[in-house]
Amino acid sequence: NAGVTQTPKFQVLKTGQSMTLQCAQDMNHEYMSWYRQDPGMGLRLIHYSVGAGITDQGEVPNGYNVSRSTTEDFPLRLLSAAPSQTSVYFCASRSGQSGNTIYFGEGSWLTVV
Amino acid sequence: QQQVKQSPQSLIVQKGGISIINCAYENTAFDYFPWYQQFPGKGPALLIAIRPDVSEKKEGRFTISFNKSAKQFSLHIMDSQPGDSATYFCAAIENGNKLVFGAGTILRVKS
Repeated sequence: NAGVTQTPKFQVLKTGQSMTLQCAQDMNHEYMSWYRQDPGMGLRLIHYSVGAGITDQGEVPNGYNVSRSTTEDFPLRLLSAAPSQTSVYFCASRSGQSGNTIYFGEGSWLTVV
Repeated sequence: QQQVKQSPQSLIVQKGGISIINCAYENTAFDYFPWYQQFPGKGPALLIAIRPDVSEKKEGRFTISFNKSAKQFSLHIMDSQPGDSATYFCAAIENGNKLVFGAGTILRVKS
C-alpha cells in the first residue's frame, strides 16, 4: 500500500503496559484515521483526524489516544493495554473530499496477554 | 451496532460464476459507498465505489447496484476467478469524514 507506513508490524504486550502504534504518510493527506479489525466485526473506526491539530472519536475510542501534531504522522497510543485490545490495527489516509481514494497501511498485529 | 449490514458472511462460488454481496444502511447522511477487497495479511484496497445519485457503476467484472429508496447496495462479480478469493467489505462515508464498514464477506472461488 503506497504511502502509508505502519510500525510495528507485530507486537506482544502484557496487560497494563503502554505502547504507541506509529503511522506516517508521505502523500500530504489531510485526513487520517485508525481502525481495528476483529473477526466478524469488519473494521471499526477508533479515531480520525481531518488535519494537523484536529482529532475526533470514532465508533470505539475507549482505551486509545491520538494526536496529530504534523500532517504526516498520526500515532495511536494505548495507555494501559487490555486483552480486549488484541486486534489488527490499520491506519488510513486520504486527501480532500470524501470521494477520494482512502489508502490503508499494511496493518499492525497486536496481542495483549 | 453495525451501521452498514453486510451479507452473506461467507460465499463459495464456482469459477466463472457470479458472486453477489449485499449491504444495507439506515443513515441517510452517507454520501459515498466504496467496496474494499482484502487479501490475507494485507490492508483493504479500494475496489469500486458509487455515489447515491447513481443506480449502477461497472468497472470490468465488478458492478455496484445501488437502490437509494431501499437503502441497499450490492456488489456483483461476474465471471468469478480463483484470484478473486478474498474478503470483501462494503463501506459508507458519513458527512465526508467517517468511513464505516460492513462486517465483511469471505469469498472463495473454486476452480
